[in-house]
Amino acid sequence: DIQMTQSPSSLSASVGDRVTITCRASQGINNYLAWYQQKPGKAPKLLIYAASTLQSGVPSRFGGSGSGTDFTLTISSLQPEDVATYYCQKYNNVLTWTFGQGTKVEIK
Amino acid sequence: QLQLQESGPGLVKPSETLSLTCTVSGGSISSTSYYWGWIRRPPGKGLEWIGSIIYSGNTYDNPSLNSRVTMSVDTSKNQFSLKLSSVTVADTAVYHCARHVRHYNHPNWFDPWGQGTLVTVSS
Repeated sequence: DIQMTQSPSSLSASVGDRVTITCRASQGINNYLAWYQQKPGKAPKLLIYAASTLQSGVPSRFGGSGSGTDFTLTISSLQPEDVATYYCQKYNNVLTWTFGQGTKVEIK
Repeated sequence: QLQLQESGPGLVKPSETLSLTCTVSGGSISSTSYYWGWIRRPPGKGLEWIGSIIYSGNTYDNPSLNSRVTMSVDTSKNQFSLKLSSVTVADTAVYHCARHVRHYNHPNWFDPWGQGTLVTVSS
């Protein structure tokens, strides 16, 4: 089974800061990776798929990169409404779909 | 705009079967472009994929759940359902349903998701 490991598990940053979250796969998954945002009490929301393709309607301050085993979600300028937990998810051609353990983002 | 809404009992006794239904509105469940999935989040933990089903009845489920998962689709009601048997306290979680988007014939990412419903396993 391919494991997905996110880091850090939580972070605190100031409004306007650049924030980076990392997701590492235990084996290569090409670019078969999605990122989600989950605000407290809300449904998870798809932000990015295919590692770097922004879902329609998602603000351009969100960006994704990576391929193989190492991936990054970047928020170029953190806003108060970005307080949430962020998850990566792999979907390579194996019949299980696995999420990272999540990264909680807070405002300092 | 597609919307999904979970429904079912919020409390289940240990060893019994958890049953949930997801009602889809704003689009048809009978599409070859999508599977329909269940994902849960136990308290203090991350997201765990449970299983996915397409309107024709083909399913995938998480091997870590030891064959306790049964899923079905009711196209006349635009609903799909989950049954999880022999539950324990470890199955306490918020359960979400979601559309599982197919790309190149393979289910990929989940979009959109339902709000989720808390199911507590307790005697």
